[in-house]
Amino acid sequence: QQQVKQSPQSLIVQKGGISIINCAYENTAFDYFPWYQQFPGKGPALLIAIRPDVSEKKEGRFTISFNKSAKQFSLHIMDSQPGDSATYFCAASSMGNTPLVFGKGTRLSVIA
Amino acid sequence: GAVVSQHPSWVICKSGTSVKIECRSLDFQATTMFWYRQFPKQSLMLMATSNEGSKATYEQGVEKDKFLINHASLTLSTLTVTSAHPEDSSFYICSANRQGMNTEAFFGQGTRLTVV
Repeated sequence: QQQVKQSPQSLIVQKGGISIINCAYENTAFDYFPWYQQFPGKGPALLIAIRPDVSEKKEGRFTISFNKSAKQFSLHIMDSQPGDSATYFCAASSMGNTPLVFGKGTRLSVIA
Repeated sequence: GAVVSQHPSWVICKSGTSVKIECRSLDFQATTMFWYRQFPKQSLMLMATSNEGSKATYEQGVEKDKFLINHASLTLSTLTVTSAHPEDSSFYICSANRQGMNTEAFFGQGTRLTVV
């Protein structure tokens, strides 16, 4: 499996600020790029996902930016709240019933 | 979003015993489910791909005789940890792909296994 590189490893953001998490991939066959949010002791929850035919997708306070030529995608959390404090994973997969390849995760702490 | 239910959410067992974990897709059919293992503060590590009606595909380094996977129906996959040892203690998570115009992967809530 090709690796998905995620940064930063941890992030501290003030309440109301913008949280930005970046991921880069190598496998050009990847065509599905989801982001997951995980709270301690819980399974990952699908947050938002994007496919390569669009460069940006927004759902509420969450936005994915996708740069196909650079093979990079990022998650932006606008107006970050303490309740957003969690671990965020980017992932990627290719067409069909293939498993996700996960980044190593980013621990986000939003402080008041 | 779609619901994937995993049971139990936590289990404590004695060394040498076996533990079964169930993964159900509640509102969609899943021909393929995936089993992951997650260590504290680490990412998810794929263990195996579970295919309905056929043998599971295991990742390199995962013992298929120790981690038995059965995908008996389009909504249920089970992972049995056989002859459990303390080093098998971990967080196990399943996922199922919901097919459609855009295939999406949904995860169960995870099972915390502690072997004593």
